[in-house]
Amino acid sequence: DIQMTQSPSSMSASVGDRVTITCRASQRLGNYLNWYQQKPGKAPEVLMYGAFNLPGGVPSRFSGSGSGTDYTLTISSLHPEDFATYYCQQSYSTPYTFGQGTKLEIK
Amino acid sequence: EVQLEQSGTEVKKPGESLKISCKASGYNFANYWIGWVRQMSGKGLEWMGIIYPGDSETTYSPSFQDQVTISADKSLSTAYLQWSSLKASDSAMYYCVRRTFTAAAGIEYNWLDPWGQGTLVTVSS
Repeated sequence: DIQMTQSPSSMSASVGDRVTITCRASQRLGNYLNWYQQKPGKAPEVLMYGAFNLPGGVPSRFSGSGSGTDYTLTISSLHPEDFATYYCQQSYSTPYTFGQGTKLEIK
Repeated sequence: EVQLEQSGTEVKKPGESLKISCKASGYNFANYWIGWVRQMSGKGLEWMGIIYPGDSETTYSPSFQDQVTISADKSLSTAYLQWSSLKASDSAMYYCVRRTFTAAAGIEYNWLDPWGQGTLVTVSS
């Protein structure tokens, strides 16, 4: 199985801050890397697919980058509704494994 | 609108069997893989397995192989996750998800969307 490691596990930031979350895979993914946002009591929702592609309806303050084994999710300017938990997920091969999550809290 | 509607909360005793469901609407159910994801209370997302309703091809995460059974009924546009003998450690929220994909320039990316609303399973004596 491909192991996914996210960092940090948690972080605090303020509205307006620029935030970066990192995801590292145990093998090269060829950009088959997705990001999800989960708010308390809700199902996760896709935020990014194919490493840097935004699904319709996702704000442009979210961006993705990376290649090989290392990928990042960046929020350019935090909005109040962005405080949530973020997960990366590899879709290169089954089982489709997730990172352990990054909880983004208000400072 | 593409939607996945899951069955309701379950409270069971250890040793009991259970089958939860995920009904799809808004698309051709047979043509998209449907997966299941576990989330234990306060924890992260765990991939369990996936089924292609068109021919019922199924793959499981090694962690869940022989622990659960994933199935689908094309005629009902419904996927299922079942246990033959529940344990307290099976207590969790379970989500069904559709494997959505897009292809461009010879590359097919896939991601999980939409997600069902989740089914909470509690196993307690």
